[in-house]
Amino acid sequence: DQQVKQNSPSLSVQEGRISILNCDYTNSMFDYFLWYKKYPAEGPTFLISISSIKDKNEDGRFTVFLNKSAKHLSLHIVPSQPGDSAVYFCAAKGSGNTGKLIFGQGTTLQVKP
Amino acid sequence: DSGVTQTPKHLITATGQRVTLRCSPRSGDLSVYWYQQSLDQGLQFLIQYYNGEERAKGNILERFSAQQFPDLHSELNLSSLELGDSALYFCASSLTGTDYGYTFGSGTRLTVV
Repeated sequence: DQQVKQNSPSLSVQEGRISILNCDYTNSMFDYFLWYKKYPAEGPTFLISISSIKDKNEDGRFTVFLNKSAKHLSLHIVPSQPGDSAVYFCAAKGSGNTGKLIFGQGTTLQVKP
Repeated sequence: DSGVTQTPKHLITATGQRVTLRCSPRSGDLSVYWYQQSLDQGLQFLIQYYNGEERAKGNILERFSAQQFPDLHSELNLSSLELGDSALYFCASSLTGTDYGYTFGSGTRLTVV
């Protein structure tokens, strides 16, 4: 049972344009949602998060939007840069006394110069 | 360097064998997480330890076991290895047992032949 899904395995955008990465989830009990970025031969690095009580969180070029009714979140990168090329994982955290995360399958973003 | 150290970086072993993966958390972090990433899959949560005690368990196989030692480093033991156990194994650490923006190591790539 895949509770967090990223249905687009890959995305290609031109430098300077907007990148939109999408994620769907099924469990309404998740209380935090996160995005991690992963470069080859490195571990994932935390990028941005959003609480389930918010609908938007912004950090520089990165904005995460949460639509609880649709159980959908998205990551917007504006403007996209070639250095943003990486695998992006959506993740969700349930309530409780643990930091366990449920990850999506990842979306490979390629930003072309 | 994320501060989380995983050894070895690469491991090739035969089916039926047993291996031990090691993780040293970032200085000051009390919680350690283990995740498995198989080909084209997202990260699957295996187990979490907090200050030496098991805090949460995921879909970890009975052939797998882990522990966290008094110096807070952790080991993941994989036994009776099968071809399907070939994967990237990531360790992550965090200060508490419930924070979610944790720091990942660069992973151990296990190949079972």
